[in-house]
Amino acid sequence: ELKVEQNPLFLSMQEGKNYTIYCNYSTTSDRLYWYRQDPGKSLESLFVLLSNGAVKQEGRLMASLDTKARLSTLHITAAVHDLSATYFCAGPNTGNQFYFGTGTSLTVIP
Amino acid sequence: GAVVSQHPSWVICKSGTSVKIECRSLDFQATTMFWYRQFPKQSLMLMATSNEGSKATYEQGVEKDKFLINHASLTLSTLTVTSAHPEDSSFYICSARETRLEQFFGPGTRLTVL
Repeated sequence: ELKVEQNPLFLSMQEGKNYTIYCNYSTTSDRLYWYRQDPGKSLESLFVLLSNGAVKQEGRLMASLDTKARLSTLHITAAVHDLSATYFCAGPNTGNQFYFGTGTSLTVIP
Repeated sequence: GAVVSQHPSWVICKSGTSVKIECRSLDFQATTMFWYRQFPKQSLMLMATSNEGSKATYEQGVEKDKFLINHASLTLSTLTVTSAHPEDSSFYICSARETRLEQFFGPGTRLTVL
């Protein structure tokens, strides 16, 4: 079973600030996914990272993947209140089952 | 993107009863669907992999006789929680695999067992 860890678990940051969420995984995987979850809702796909060195950006969020280090990052630039949510990374095993990280609960305060 | 629906959105039932949750891929065929469970403030835990026309594969620690999965068609998988108890109360989310690279998640079903 693929083990996926996220850091930090909880994050409170002021509007306008930058921060990075880290996602480490235990075994070789060539893909990594990032999702957002709002309270009481299901998952919203943010990024699909398909290869080593992949970098994707959407608005104030940017994700990257380093398969050699088994590390993905989600960088938040100039946070705004609308970004408050829980963010999950997930990696697939060889059978394409997804294993999710612990989640990072982000609160952006004015 | 592809759309996955779940029914019902929420259900409240008495302890000892069985509850069926449906997961449908609306605009694509999915040979594989996945069922997850999420307790409050926790991550999603994969329960089982549902393959069309064959038996589901359960993750370690998930009771297959309690969580019955049927994937009878390429667009429908069902999860039946048999003899539900309060500890089964959770948010159940399904996903359907459209391609090897992408899964699409349903909106979830909140189960409360009294």
